[in-house]
Amino acid sequence: EAGVAQSPRYKIIEKRQSVAFWCNPISGHATLYWYQQILGQGPKLLIQFQNNGVVDDSQLPKDRFSAERLKGVDSTLKIQPAKLEDSAVYLCASSPPEGMYQETQYFGPGTRLLVL
Amino acid sequence: GENVEQHPSTLSVQEGDSAVIKCTYSDSASNYFPWYKQELGKRPQLIIDIRSNVGEKKDQRIAVTLNKTAKHFSLHITETQPEDSAVYFCAASSGGFKTIFGAGTRLFVKA
Repeated sequence: EAGVAQSPRYKIIEKRQSVAFWCNPISGHATLYWYQQILGQGPKLLIQFQNNGVVDDSQLPKDRFSAERLKGVDSTLKIQPAKLEDSAVYLCASSPPEGMYQETQYFGPGTRLLVL
Repeated sequence: GENVEQHPSTLSVQEGDSAVIKCTYSDSASNYFPWYKQELGKRPQLIIDIRSNVGEKKDQRIAVTLNKTAKHFSLHITETQPEDSAVYFCAASSGGFKTIFGAGTRLFVKA
């Protein structure tokens, strides 16, 4: 089966600019996650969708970050305006519908963002 | 807030030796504990997981143990090989929600 797809793979912007990332989860996966992974740290959950509804966005900096999941499939994560500390890898993951393996997360390749 | 602590941050072993990585969690509601391997510049890959109704799980050279009372779980890799060199992350979640990752352990296996 095809894996989680993300684009772009790399992005360099200047501070105060805007940027958007795109994620296409594994077909049929109900849950979609966005993580921020700063160099040398573990992934930090930003937002979790169940179908097209948000189930957890407690760690999303809502003054500058926003995310949506169109029709319960693809998702976009936006940063506006970007700050230097937003430099990180943004990982998207998805997990299957309710059932035995619903917690298993499959990660995409990530988008590496550098804010100058 | 809830957190997951992971130790050690760096681990160096000789090829063929065993490696053990330990994690503790704070959220009593956590019931799912996956371990991920991340090679440089690549995505995290699930290598093994354990649910709270099981105390131990093994898959070839990899095993995970869980102590719910003490809120800690460990990854054991036996007969390490150079290709095991990577960063390993533990995580804890409650039914797939509120996933929290540890800070990672960089494992070096010396040939």
